[in-house]
Amino acid sequence: DVKVTQSSRYLVKRTGEKVFLECVQDMDHENMFWYRQDPGLGLRLIYFSYDVKMKEKGDIPEGYSVSREKKERFSLILESASTNQTSMYLCASRQDTDTQYFGPGTRLTVL
Amino acid sequence: GQNIDQPTEMTATEGAIVQINCTYQTSGFNGLFWYQQHAGEAPTFLSYNVLDGLEEKGRFSSFLSRSKGYSYLLLKELQMKDSASYLCAVGNTPLVFGKGTRLSVIA
Repeated sequence: DVKVTQSSRYLVKRTGEKVFLECVQDMDHENMFWYRQDPGLGLRLIYFSYDVKMKEKGDIPEGYSVSREKKERFSLILESASTNQTSMYLCASRQDTDTQYFGPGTRLTVL
Repeated sequence: GQNIDQPTEMTATEGAIVQINCTYQTSGFNGLFWYQQHAGEAPTFLSYNVLDGLEEKGRFSSFLSRSKGYSYLLLKELQMKDSASYLCAVGNTPLVFGKGTRLSVIA
């Protein structure tokens, strides 16, 4: 079974803190994605990566950056967390046009 | 542009059949996916259609018409545990997701 794991299920941070969200997949997938999901807005793509050290902006990249130093790991970074970044963050991975698999999600609260 | 439309909410009775529609307009197409998402959890894969027609998998079936940009997910013999959001997704990489249809199954 494909497994996508995220470093935390719940996280509470303060405004201005730097936040790291880690995602690891064990199926050697080339493509990895970070989304945020908010009520009424659906899944919104923040960044994605189709190879090591490659990254592409999604629909809402402002306030976020990413890092992919190894194929299995894709990190999302909030340089200076703000209250409007309180959300559910979902990581996903996918090989070519096959099924996309999601991690369990991280519910981030910024106070 | 890229656009996917699904109804926001639906309610159905336990034991009944429900059809959730999805219409799409995307610049690329490599299949249409349906995901189920229970509240507070991650989406999980349900079905995939790349050719026109019906794909059946137990109580769940999914239909695709590429010429009409249309798909539906059919859930039979509804159970309370089917109460969830159902997401339609289309396209290349990255996938374009609809906002989801929240299904409530009532007794």
